[in-house]
Amino acid sequence: QVQLVQSGAEVKKPGASVKVSCKASGYTFTSYGISWVRQAPGQGLEWMGWISAYNGNTNYAQKLQGRVTMTTDTSTSTAYMELRSLRSDDTAVYYCARVGTVTTYFDYWGQGTLVTVSS
Amino acid sequence: DIQMTQSPSSLSASVGDRVTITCQASQDISNYLNWYQQKPGKAPKLLIYDASNLETGVPSRFSGSGSGTDFTFTISSLQPEDIATYYCQQYDNLPSWTFGQGTKVEIK
Repeated sequence: QVQLVQSGAEVKKPGASVKVSCKASGYTFTSYGISWVRQAPGQGLEWMGWISAYNGNTNYAQKLQGRVTMTTDTSTSTAYMELRSLRSDDTAVYYCARVGTVTTYFDYWGQGTLVTVSS
Repeated sequence: DIQMTQSPSSLSASVGDRVTITCQASQDISNYLNWYQQKPGKAPKLLIYDASNLETGVPSRFSGSGSGTDFTFTISSLQPEDIATYYCQQYDNLPSWTFGQGTKVEIK
């Protein structure tokens, strides 16, 4: 069965970086893309960006351009999301989600990773 | 950027009631509109894709309709386990996605 398993919770200081992993199993990793979505406490869902696991192409949300980098390691079927220059308003649960190459929806999601930014 | 306006932001209904949520796009998005359910502390779950297609395993009381700029999500008979927040999501051919603001559904 398809599973996306994310790394554990992180606590970071303002200005630091965080790298969250998302390990996929149960499907051919390079046949899909991965999107990252975050949710601040008590708030809605915010799309952060997408990466193709096939060729590494990316597209990031404009508000995060320059601070976020998404990568994949096809040898381990793992996607990564790195966010730099962390601020308190980056405190959120971060989710990875699978998206097909010819479909437009997120059919499987990771369990979420809480990133807390606090001095 | 395409903006999504979802309404209402919250609603309260009785078990068995018909519940309707709307989502409006700022420009024509064809049928590139999905609906998700999120329960507290859990990841979102896909319910409806491409405006009107029911994801496998999702109860038939959930449905979606619309195209272009106006979309509707319906629960035909609200059940206690449907208490959640529902989000619409549009797809732009970049690829990029935008979520609606969410609708919190409660039992009256």
